[in-house]
Amino acid sequence: SQELEQSPQSLIVQEGKNLTINCTSSKTLYGLYWYKQKYGEGLIFLMMLQKGGEEKSHEKITAKLDEKKQQSSLHITASQPSHAGIYLCGADRNAGGTSYGKLTFGQGTILTVHP
Amino acid sequence: GAGVSQSPRYKVAKRGQDVALRCDPISGHVSLFWYQQALGQGPEFLTYFQNEAQLDKSGLPSDRFFAERPEGSVSTLKIQRTQQEDSAVYLCASSLSDRGVSGDSPLHFGNGTRLTVT
Repeated sequence: SQELEQSPQSLIVQEGKNLTINCTSSKTLYGLYWYKQKYGEGLIFLMMLQKGGEEKSHEKITAKLDEKKQQSSLHITASQPSHAGIYLCGADRNAGGTSYGKLTFGQGTILTVHP
Repeated sequence: GAGVSQSPRYKVAKRGQDVALRCDPISGHVSLFWYQQALGQGPEFLTYFQNEAQLDKSGLPSDRFFAERPEGSVSTLKIQRTQQEDSAVYLCASSLSDRGVSGDSPLHFGNGTRLTVT
């Protein structure tokens, strides 16, 4: 069973629209990572959240971790075709927020942005 | 190098053949990881090296899977007697720190090797 559930599984939006991807865990998240993957390529690191209520932004992408540290959201403002790809959340299994890299990933959200 | 390099990019093997997948991590990165990504799924952890020491191999699915990093840099993932269920993308990742992954020292992934077993 998936320890991390992402929703939606896929998303199609028109260029310029805002969108949100969610990542939910049944267990406390001690470190939550967002990655982007283009088809046939590796994962590109976007952001890492650790503290309850934390929010980080990079360009038009904002990620939040809820106070209970069991849900994270990734929000893209004014989407562009370059945002298209697969978005993956990954969680640190270890308490304390650092692990040696043994991340558990969600199944991914496929984002398509139509020009 | 500038990033994590994996070779080959694509590998087709007949069932029962042995395969070897290579990973060149970012120069100076202490930690190296192998993940397996099935179609439509997120990556799943296979094994972890700190320098040349394999500290965690709990994710290796069977004793047909073997990984090594003899000099603490290049790593090879070997799969013996390949089966159809081994078909997946095998991702290598490295990180600078030996004290764990963080926002300042995230995992850097290669483009993966897509293995197809026929």
